[in-house]
Order: sequence, then structure tokens, then C-alpha cells
Amino acid sequence: NAGVTQTPKFRILKIGQSMTLQCTQDMNHNYMYWYRQDPGMGLKLIYYSVGAGITDKGEVPNGYNVSRSTTEDFPLRLELAAPSQTSVYFCASSYSGSSGVYEQYFGPGTRLTVT
Amino acid sequence: KQEVTQIPAALSVPEGENLVLNCSFTDSAIYNLQWFRQDPGKGLTSLLLIQSSQREQTSGRLNASLDKSSGRSTLYIAASQPGDSATYLCAVNNRGRDDKIIFGKGTRLHILP
Repeated sequence: NAGVTQTPKFRILKIGQSMTLQCTQDMNHNYMYWYRQDPGMGLKLIYYSVGAGITDKGEVPNGYNVSRSTTEDFPLRLELAAPSQTSVYFCASSYSGSSGVYEQYFGPGTRLTVT
Repeated sequence: KQEVTQIPAALSVPEGENLVLNCSFTDSAIYNLQWFRQDPGKGLTSLLLIQSSQREQTSGRLNASLDKSSGRSTLYIAASQPGDSATYLCAVNNRGRDDKIIFGKGTRLHILP
């Protein structure tokens, strides 16, 4: 199992550009998440998905969009990049059942700089 | 609204010592609590997950406890090693309408050789 994979590892964007961060998991997890991590601020949830075709906003969704057409893939789209979106982005997945969410597995992250 | 706090933000201890990291949360309606390790420039690695019905979980030199009624969890690391140096984060899985996972800001641990 590759677990959770993310591409690219690094990216520099100019203000106003757009890009898609890719995330794939091969564990057949129903839940997938996108977080951003800023220095000293912890992880903040951007969007999450409880299954293919279902997405929901997290704590900081503005400026981002997601889709979940398959169980495996959960891409994050940045439209009109702004310097405030400079951060490290993590994708995660987990299985969720009647006892709540089980162990979360994280990807290695994408370091994004917007200048 | 669930809030998760980890104190201290940073900790340095000599190699070989036993240590305790703390995590507190404000809403006891949780499914579980998870401890993670994060190395600089890397993603998060799950260490232990404690279900709300459990009191503790152990893995090797690590022991995590959960006291849901007081909103506290501790991560005990025995016989610390320089390789334990990392940031440790705790996260709670809320029970309820939003079912979200809320992270603390982490404790940065440095083990002195």
C-alpha cells in the first residue's frame, strides 16, 4: 500500500494563478480531508468528504474548491491564488463507521508559496 | 465549540528521562482521541488512537491515557531518546452533528543527547 500520496511536493505560484493539488489514497477509506498548516497555528480543516460525491466545508474553505468523483481521489483546487494561501497542505484519509472516525493517515504534504 | 490545547508548546529534556505530554479538550462528547508525531518538513504519523470507552493505549515506549470526564489526555514517553525529538499533536474526533477532527497546536519536543 502506498497509503496517501500527494503531488506536487513543492510549488510556487504567482498571485492570481490557479492550481490543483492532487491527493490519492489506496486504503479504500471513505473519509478524506484537506488541511493547511501554518507555523504556530496548528492544522486547520479546509474541506472534507465522507464518500464519493459528497463534500463539505471545514473551518477555512474560502478560496478553495474540492471534488470527490471516486473513493481514491480528492483534489483541492485553488482559484486566484493569494499570498494568504502560502502554507503547507496536507491530505488525510480515514475509515469511519458507527464508532466514529478511525485512525487518520496523512500524506507527506505540499509546500505552496504564493508571491 | 471544541477546543484542544497542548501545553507546553515546547519542551527540552535530557536523554533517558521519562516525560509526559499533555492535551486538554473542552467538550467531552468525543468518539476518540489520536496522538500524532510530526518530524520537521514531514507529514503526520499516527502513534496511538484511544476510543472514548478506553482509558489507555500502549505501543512500545509510548502510553496514552484518556480521562474524558475531565477533558484530558496524556502521552507518556519512557526512556526518551534523541530520535523522539519531534512535534507531538493530539486530535479529538467530535461526536455530534459535525463529526469533525480538531487538532491541538502541538508540543515541540527536543531530547538532549
